[in-house]
Amino acid sequence: DIQMTQSPSSLSASVGDRVTITCRASQGINNYLAWFQQKPGKAPKSLIYAASTLQSGVPSKFSGSGSGTDFTLTISSLQPEDFATYYCQQYFGYPVTFGGGTKVEIK
Amino acid sequence: QVQLQESGRGLVKPSETLSLTCTVSGDSINSYYWSWVRQPAGKALEWIGRINTRGNSNSNPSLRSRVTMSVDTSNNQFSLRLSSVTAADTAVYYCAREHSDSSGYLYVESWGQGSLVIVSS
Repeated sequence: DIQMTQSPSSLSASVGDRVTITCRASQGINNYLAWFQQKPGKAPKSLIYAASTLQSGVPSKFSGSGSGTDFTLTISSLQPEDFATYYCQQYFGYPVTFGGGTKVEIK
Repeated sequence: QVQLQESGRGLVKPSETLSLTCTVSGDSINSYYWSWVRQPAGKALEWIGRINTRGNSNSNPSLRSRVTMSVDTSNNQFSLRLSSVTAADTAVYYCAREHSDSSGYLYVESWGQGSLVIVSS
């Protein structure tokens, strides 16, 4: 299985901060990488696919980059509604695998 | 806009079979892949498998021997059965719709709200 490692596992940030989350794949996955946002008690929400393409309706403060094994999700200016856990997922190989999540908390 | 809703028993006894159905509304179940993902409390997401209306399916090797998926196009539903459950199968189970990109790779675009299944005697 392709292992997905996210860092950090948690971070504290303030409203207005620029936040970057990293996801590393154990082998090359081209750009077949998705990002999801999950708030407590809620279903995940799809943010990005193909490493950098925003899902419909997702605000442009979210951006993704990377290819191969190293990827990043950036939130340009953190807002109260962005405090959540973020997961990366590779869909290049079988089985599809997720990262362990990064919890973004209020400082 | 497509909506997905999971339904099924919330309490299953050990060694029995977990059964969940996902009802799709707002769009046809045809022309997409439909998947299942689960999440134990406080833990990360785990992909279970996917199926399309042509009967093509894939599942996680860690669960494959216990997983059965099916599609009911007449009712716009798809289903998951997981046999011989143990406490380790206790989780929130999500259904999701997957879309194919230009290379044929499948990414999740929509999620159901989730259904908690507890395995306990």
